[in-house]
Amino acid sequence: DGGITQSPKYLFRKEGQNVTLSCEQNLNHDAMYWYRQDPGQGLRLIYYSQIVNDFQKGDIAEGYSVSREKKESFPLTVTSAQKNPTAFYLCASSQGADNSPLHFGNGTRLTVT
Amino acid sequence: AQSVTQLDSQVPVFEEAPVELRCNYSSSVSVYLFWYVQYPNQGLQLLLKYLSGSTLVKGINGFEAEFNKSQTSFHLRKPSVHISDTAEYFCAVSYYKLSFGAGTTVTVRA
Repeated sequence: DGGITQSPKYLFRKEGQNVTLSCEQNLNHDAMYWYRQDPGQGLRLIYYSQIVNDFQKGDIAEGYSVSREKKESFPLTVTSAQKNPTAFYLCASSQGADNSPLHFGNGTRLTVT
Repeated sequence: AQSVTQLDSQVPVFEEAPVELRCNYSSSVSVYLFWYVQYPNQGLQLLLKYLSGSTLVKGINGFEAEFNKSQTSFHLRKPSVHISDTAEYFCAVSYYKLSFGAGTTVTVRA
């Protein structure tokens, strides 16, 4: 079955360490997205990519970085510059048009202490 | 730029009762509208979408939504809920950029 795989499901890190979250899709979608979810705040867009080797900042990109070297993969690095990194992170993909629904992975819950 | 307001943050409901989740949006142009559901510790799944045409949209799991252009609303309804409908529901609006509402938590009680 086609879908999006995020790994790991739970991730624990010490403050000051960078951490990379994995996102892989086999839906042959052009566009991929990273969202952050905090209780009561809905989903906030971190970065998105419409095509390989290109990506744009979303609403809350500070302290995060991404790469898009392959169509299937869109890893997110949470750097030590992110002041409040503890959150639930969701990766999504779509065909890229405004009317294309997003397909989501099952998320990675990051806890930084 | 568009914005999305989900009018209820929490909706408790008894099993087999109807439920309505309210979503209003603000936009000066025509938009695409979506409802997603999120079960605990999972990603979001598409319930239904409005792109054009009939204003009453039917989705999965018995849900439906009605697009009202004059009131800029896209309310979600289900005539009879089950325990398994306990989840968080998100309304989303798309025009060049996808914007999500803050979510409505539905708790179904026996």
